[in-house]
Amino acid sequence: GQNIDQPTEMTATEGAIVQINCTYQTSGFNGLFWYQQHAGEAPTFLSYNVLDGLEEKGRFSSFLSRSKGYSYLLLKELQMKDSASYLCAASNSGGYQKVTFGTGTKLQVIP
Amino acid sequence: DSGVTQTPKHLITATGQRVTLRCSPRSGDLSVYWYQQSLDQGLQFLIQYYNGEERAKGNILERFSAQQFPDLHSELNLSSLELGDSALYFCASSVGDTAYEQYFGPGTRLTVT
Repeated sequence: GQNIDQPTEMTATEGAIVQINCTYQTSGFNGLFWYQQHAGEAPTFLSYNVLDGLEEKGRFSSFLSRSKGYSYLLLKELQMKDSASYLCAASNSGGYQKVTFGTGTKLQVIP
Repeated sequence: DSGVTQTPKHLITATGQRVTLRCSPRSGDLSVYWYQQSLDQGLQFLIQYYNGEERAKGNILERFSAQQFPDLHSELNLSSLELGDSALYFCASSVGDTAYEQYFGPGTRLTVT
């Protein structure tokens, strides 16, 4: 099975940088997803890390350490529209692939 | 707009009833995934189909079943509904049979009374 932990809520200021952490314990780990989900809406794909290291995509970056079972999502130059839930999800390999989502981190961006 | 469509948007039904949720994947996507999202449990993976065949199974109850048709649309059948089945049900699709990048539909909100 898979276990994913991430903080329930975070608050950050507009224009600032925020880091959302995610730890996972899983057998047959393959990769780590980050999704953004606004309230009442569908999740939207942000990133997928398979290899260790940092991947940057505009204002968003995602980091993975396979040996530590750890990932983070870094949001720079925060905007009010970044207020949303951020879901960490792990996929496992070995035959049929399954994706397990964490319960999400609700980020509130304040002026 | 992700290109994934789901119907209906809202569904209200009584305990013990049966409902069918429908999903059409993005054009060209062969995989369809079903998820359940309730307030206290987050997004739970239910089941995946790839090109008509069941590919992976998550925490899907025996009262629930799904299938993917030759035109690649999928249906999720929920029977003997209970109050606890009230949730948002999302469908997602991806090109291949691995969950690299999934595109989610707008969801169906099911309320069981």
